Amino acid sequence: KAGVTQTPRYLIKTRGQQVTLSCSPISGHRSVSWYQQTPGQGLQFLFEYFSETQRNKGNFPGRFSGRQFSNSRSEMNVSTLELGDSALYLCASSLSLAGGGSYEQYFGPGTRLTVT
Amino acid sequence: KNEVEQSPQNLTAQEGEFITINCSYSVGISALHWLQQHPGGGIVSLFMLSSGKKKHGRLIATINIQEKHSSLHITASHPRDSAVYICAVRRSQGNLIFGKGTKLSVKP
Repeated sequence: KAGVTQTPRYLIKTRGQQVTLSCSPISGHRSVSWYQQTPGQGLQFLFEYFSETQRNKGNFPGRFSGRQFSNSRSEMNVSTLELGDSALYLCASSLSLAGGGSYEQYFGPGTRLTVT
Repeated sequence: KNEVEQSPQNLTAQEGEFITINCSYSVGISALHWLQQHPGGGIVSLFMLSSGKKKHGRLIATINIQEKHSSLHITASHPRDSAVYICAVRRSQGNLIFGKGTKLSVKP
């Protein structure tokens, strides 16, 4: 079974631009989560989608948004990029949403975004 | 104070040594995850546990829900175990929060 894929793997953008990152989950997985990793803050939760609905959101400004399509693929968008948005953006997929329990998360390789 | 604290931050060991990484948390959780991240960024989930103990090969993870504490043990460590180990807890309301990670270096 193919793993989680993310495109593009590397991206260089200029301050003020916007960017869209894509994540394709493992076949059959309906939940996709997005995370930002920086040297200073470590890993931080961005948002989680299940069945095309955002179920949880982290403490990030409104410039960060996402969506999930009917085939469970997900995109995240960052508008008006700032230097501090330079980070590794990871997505992870799981079979289902963690309600009363928790499900194994499978991580993609990440997209490394550099903002200049 | 971070909701998930890991110790130590950095750890250097000789090949063959027994290694312990600790994780303490302060929130209600439904599960705790141990993750491994190699240079280059890829993250692999090692364990997901909500009680007791799990073992996979040379790796053992334990959790004490009452004390809000988990440990990851590596027996007979090997240079290929060199990586960053990250503890993450799934809040009762759903999202993951992460520790800062423990950078492990195993010398031959």
